[in-house]
Amino acid sequence: QSALTQPASVSGSPGQSITISCTGTSSDVGNYNLVSWYQLYPGEAPKLIIYEVSARPSGVPDRFSGSKSGNTASLTISGLQAEDEAEYYCCSYAGSSTFYVFGTGTKVTVL
Amino acid sequence: QVQLQESGPGLVKPSQTLSLTCSVSGTSISRNNYFWAWFRQFPGKGLEWIGYIYFSGSTRYNPSLESRISMSVDTSTKKFSLRMNYVTAADTAVYYCARRNTVTMAEAFDYWGQGTLVTVSS
Repeated sequence: QSALTQPASVSGSPGQSITISCTGTSSDVGNYNLVSWYQLYPGEAPKLIIYEVSARPSGVPDRFSGSKSGNTASLTISGLQAEDEAEYYCCSYAGSSTFYVFGTGTKVTVL
Repeated sequence: QVQLQESGPGLVKPSQTLSLTCSVSGTSISRNNYFWAWFRQFPGKGLEWIGYIYFSGSTRYNPSLESRISMSVDTSTKKFSLRMNYVTAADTAVYYCARRNTVTMAEAFDYWGQGTLVTVSS
């Protein structure tokens, strides 16, 4: 099972909006509304920020939103803040044989 | 406050066995609907799901690793463990433990440990 494709890096100025794409196949992203997104800071525990394509866990700011169209899921960060500078990974359920496939990861830089 | 903490050797020799433990606090390890998972992140940054275990001992493993791994859980100490046999340099990674919570979400992992680096080298 190949990794989901994400851009290596995305950047934006404070207050701007950015979108990170996550492209998979009809076997994973396209077949299940079970895409999640994780925020990673070096040396810290990964944080779940989106599950089931667009749902936010309690405590996650509504600046973070998720969506999906076909085989591509997207994470949008609105009103970009300095603290959003981190790595972001998408993850899709891919069925009971493969289970989970992750994206290649995106480094977000706040200019 | 839910916390998970990985522990184990940071250096393992090739062909030997990697053993890690995750200590869980702030939540029940025995609750229905919680599964306890292991992941790893390679130096090139890719993330991989290794497997998960239920408090009953039922497991699901990544098919690509199934022949080399086993997981166990000790509900009395609120710990679960990973063993990976016949490691090579390709197993060098940061290993994370995490909780899968099917009470409020499907196929997502809501709490993670901060990870522990395991290097495979002679």
